[in-house]
Amino acid sequence: QLQLQESGPGLVEPSGTLSLTCTVSGGSISSSIYYWGWIRQPPGRGLEWIGNIYYVGTTYYNPSLKSRVTISVDTSKNQFSLRLNSVTAADTAVYYCARHGDYYDSRAYYDYWGQGTLVTVSS
Amino acid sequence: ERVMTQSPATLSVSPGERATLSCRASQSVSGNLAWYQQVPGQAPRLLIYGASTRATGIPARFSGSGSGADFTLTISNLQSEDFAVYYCQQYNNFPFAFGGGTKVEIK
Repeated sequence: QLQLQESGPGLVEPSGTLSLTCTVSGGSISSSIYYWGWIRQPPGRGLEWIGNIYYVGTTYYNPSLKSRVTISVDTSKNQFSLRLNSVTAADTAVYYCARHGDYYDSRAYYDYWGQGTLVTVSS
Repeated sequence: ERVMTQSPATLSVSPGERATLSCRASQSVSGNLAWYQQVPGQAPRLLIYGASTRATGIPARFSGSGSGADFTLTISNLQSEDFAVYYCQQYNNFPFAFGGGTKVEIK
């Protein structure tokens, strides 16, 4: 059974950098048919797509966050990571990591999700 | 960029009745539309993909329809565990986008 688990600081200071890691177990992040992504949800609000990465390092980002976000992959550790720079209170949210299938085969729906981790931006 | 609009924002339904949720895309997303269910405090769960295919383990009372820009999620014979928030998501084009959600509450 595939499992995804987010980890990282729960509190980040304004103007700082948010850094999270998603550890994948029960399957390989290097599979050629899956992509790995980040989605966030501010308290009491809806889901916002942040971006995705393919195991070779190809990335796709939300244009509204593109100038501040970096997603990377470490296949040796079966992990992928999120960095968000210059954070403000508006970046306070539950951050989810998730897996989706091959975009070019119309299978890019998220079938496995982590439990989510709350990151608060505050001094 | 495609914008996904869900309606209504809140739907009040009695147990055993039917709920009909709508999702509209600002441009065609073909059939590349998924529905997710989110219970408070939990991660979203995939219900429907390809606009109308139920994910593994999803009961038959959940059904999806539509193509192009207009989609519907129907929940028949609502059970207590179905009262939750439902999101649609297009995966036809990057950037992916979610709708704002519909909360299905007990009437």
